[in-house]
Amino acid sequence: QSVLTQPPSASGTPGQRVTISCSGSTSNIEGNTVNWYQQLPGTAPKLLIYSNNQRPSGVPDRFSGSKSGTSASLAISGLQSEDEADYYCAAWGDSLIGMVFGGGTKLTVL
Amino acid sequence: EVQLVESGGGLVQPGRSLRLSCAASGFTFDDYAMHWVRQAPGKGLEWVASITWNSGNREHADSVRGRFTISRDNAKNSLYLQMNSLRAEDTALYYCAKDLRFGSGSYVFEYWGQGTLVTVSS
Repeated sequence: QSVLTQPPSASGTPGQRVTISCSGSTSNIEGNTVNWYQQLPGTAPKLLIYSNNQRPSGVPDRFSGSKSGTSASLAISGLQSEDEADYYCAAWGDSLIGMVFGGGTKLTVL
Repeated sequence: EVQLVESGGGLVQPGRSLRLSCAASGFTFDDYAMHWVRQAPGKGLEWVASITWNSGNREHADSVRGRFTISRDNAKNSLYLQMNSLRAEDTALYYCAKDLRFGSGSYVFEYWGQGTLVTVSS
């Protein structure tokens, strides 16, 4: 059972907009920033969004992040087949449990 | 180009030890905090440990605290994870990751290696 809760799966058709939620609590998401990682099949994770809504260089602006209270969301617009991957949210928990990840959401492009 | 290459994984019996290494290149290693993250087969990501640029602060996940120790050698551009008293539940692909921000770190995992597989089984 992950500290941060994500839906196990999501799907969309090419060109659509999809959102993936990440639910936490006052001790993790509400008081800290949220990061998102994309893991394509068989590869290492890649940083997609940091500090709630910042994109690293090279990440298309089709990807956006937001945070409100104890929840965060990742939105992908203009969905493409190459976006099919697992997506993970992450945030600092506290000094006892450290960094925490969501359980991951498997995105399928239909 | 940032490169992180993990090594040292393998098959080990429960209760034994293993030391993972991560060779870093393409950036000024001693400017950045570094991290270990693991992924059990078919499962999600789990943060394992982090170390600041000068080894002044080290943090370990509750699940490995007291058994695993993160360390670094800035002269060798290398990160390590000493794993003792290994358990079956430690079986995972272990990734080395570079922090995004200069200095003490932000726990944003900017670059990742390809991982080294640790299998704990008798």
